[in-house]
Amino acid sequence: RKEVEQDPGPFNVPEGATVAFNCTYSNSASQSFFWYRQDCRKEPKLLMSVYSSGNEDGRFTAQLNRASQYISLLIRDSKLSDSATYLCAVNTNAGKSTFGDGTTLTVKP
Amino acid sequence: SAVISQKPSRDICQRGTSLTIQCQVDSQVTMMFWYRQQPGQSLTLIATANQGSEATYESGFVIDKFPISRPNLTFSTLTVSNMSPEDSSIYLCSGEWGGGDNEQFFGPGTRLTVL
Repeated sequence: RKEVEQDPGPFNVPEGATVAFNCTYSNSASQSFFWYRQDCRKEPKLLMSVYSSGNEDGRFTAQLNRASQYISLLIRDSKLSDSATYLCAVNTNAGKSTFGDGTTLTVKP
Repeated sequence: SAVISQKPSRDICQRGTSLTIQCQVDSQVTMMFWYRQQPGQSLTLIATANQGSEATYESGFVIDKFPISRPNLTFSTLTVSNMSPEDSSIYLCSGEWGGGDNEQFFGPGTRLTVL
């Protein structure tokens, strides 16, 4: 079993749709959680950290469920520019993150 | 965040040769990492670059094949040695400032093609 697993995708949604991604992790000692966005042929960029209380940044909401060991990312009112691959990352040891395989989102007009 | 740059941005190399990739951060970072990413796949951690000491390699990666240096807190190099076509990939370095959430920031990557 992989340490970090994501919805395989791809997700193809129309503009304005709400889409949610989940990511599960196996190490209960994990301490930090993140969502990254990676555009085609570009490096990953931090989208948002995920806090226990949940956090929101505009149209993006991230949540953590420690009991069930998963994190989620909700995107509301999808834009064409949201099309990308979304990677979850879990930090289990000091400084070292494990990344999921990524979920590809395509938002269509 | 900070700016992380990598050189070269891309290269085409012959089998059996070696390539050294440089990673420069514009501010001191606690941790630096080297990843490999095959097209359409996720990131695979090669090693943690330790300042002033030997890198810590992940399973499947060895120092003879991927020697790493980190002489200070803002610079690291990764060498891909005795290359074969299977080494064709994107190589990314990342930095982490520590003391907080441990989020990482990535360089733009080096696209390597081995013929």
